[in-house]
Amino acid sequence: AQSVSQHNHHVILSEAASLELGCNYSYGGTVNLFWYVQYPGQHLQLLLKYFSGDPLVKGIKGFEAEFIKSKFSFNLRKPSVQWSDTAEYFCGGYGGSQGNLIFGKGTKLSVKP
Amino acid sequence: DTEVTQTPKHLVMGMTNKKSLKCEQHMGHRAMYWYKQKAKKPPELMFVYSYEKLSINESVPSRFSPECPNSSLLNLHLHALQPEDSALYLCASSQGSGVGYGYTFGSGTRLTVV
Repeated sequence: AQSVSQHNHHVILSEAASLELGCNYSYGGTVNLFWYVQYPGQHLQLLLKYFSGDPLVKGIKGFEAEFIKSKFSFNLRKPSVQWSDTAEYFCGGYGGSQGNLIFGKGTKLSVKP
Repeated sequence: DTEVTQTPKHLVMGMTNKKSLKCEQHMGHRAMYWYKQKAKKPPELMFVYSYEKLSINESVPSRFSPECPNSSLLNLHLHALQPEDSALYLCASSQGSGVGYGYTFGSGTRLTVV
């Protein structure tokens, strides 16, 4: 079955530190990958998505992700985090019984001011 | 209009109550979804409607009953729920179902069953 996994459960950083959150996928064929962010008490917002083309994808709020096919990875990066980036981050891809959007377990990011 | 609107935002219901969650989108999307999200967990897919027909039921108990009256509306009827059903219920939509379409999520309904 197709799956998406995130290995970092909780990441704690100080403001201005660089961020990299890991995401690995395990399926072949067409690869579509996403990163969503969920701020405390709020809904899921799409940060960025990869469908095809340039493997370096730029999203909103200064985030980017790189699709590395050889490593089955789609890690999320930001050069300098802010306190307002404190949130839960979900990597997503297509899986399940009929190829609908499924999520990794999520990574909680806490940024200390 | 690029939003998915869910009502109510919060709902408290007893185990013998009947209530409904509503979801609306006016983006012309033909696929709509219900997800359930427990605290500190990722959203889990419950139902998929494609072109107003139920295409996926991910082994959800019958106390949850989805309905798609038209291409813009999606309801989730609740009856005889258990306290463990307390969660954030998210609605989403996409242009089509399956691979290749981005999903837009609503803000969710936070449900508490007492």
